[in-house]
Amino acid sequence: SQQGEEDPQALSIQEGENATMNCSYKTSINNLQWYRQNSGRGLVHLILIRSNEREKHSGRLRVTLDTSKKSSSLLITASRAADTASYFCATDYYFGKGTSLLVTP
Amino acid sequence: GAVVSQHPSWVICKSGTSVKIECRSLDFQATTMFWYRQFPKQSLMLMATSNEGSKATYEQGVEKDKFLINHASLTLSTLTVTSAHPEDSSFYICSAKPGHQETQYFGPGTRLLVL
Repeated sequence: SQQGEEDPQALSIQEGENATMNCSYKTSINNLQWYRQNSGRGLVHLILIRSNEREKHSGRLRVTLDTSKKSSSLLITASRAADTASYFCATDYYFGKGTSLLVTP
Repeated sequence: GAVVSQHPSWVICKSGTSVKIECRSLDFQATTMFWYRQFPKQSLMLMATSNEGSKATYEQGVEKDKFLINHASLTLSTLTVTSAHPEDSSFYICSAKPGHQETQYFGPGTRLLVL
């Protein structure tokens, strides 16, 4: 069944601003992964964070994990129009509902 | 590396017919493959997990006789939607996972429209 729940469901920002998306999950996990999906297309893996890690960086992406709160956040810094997409967290192959991000020039 | 392909990318069929979708890992051996479906503006719903050479494990609520999954080799899994109906119209996405990795790699998806 679905594991993660993202919020917000939709986010609209301007280029250059930071975008933060949150994900909560219900059961204990081995790892949590974030994906991006451009409209109607396949998924791109962004980052994996293991249960014993608290923070991870990849380029303009920063992911945090708080296992005590069963939550994770994805921060995209200095956003670009090309970041417009849906973002999903996934735990053990189950996906959350996703956040739809719109970055306007 | 880690490319997964799906074929066909889109298919239109008549109600009552069966449709087969292929998922291939092109440059790695996938011990485990996953099948998802996605409705417009919704998330991915895991349908089933398949390991090479064994029967697929279906998620609750997914009819195994309706959605036949075959994972005959380490690079190929197929999903057959049997006796398709309009409500089966959806975006079907597969993913593949190398045995030694935690990350799954996704195919580009297959859009199915049943008339």
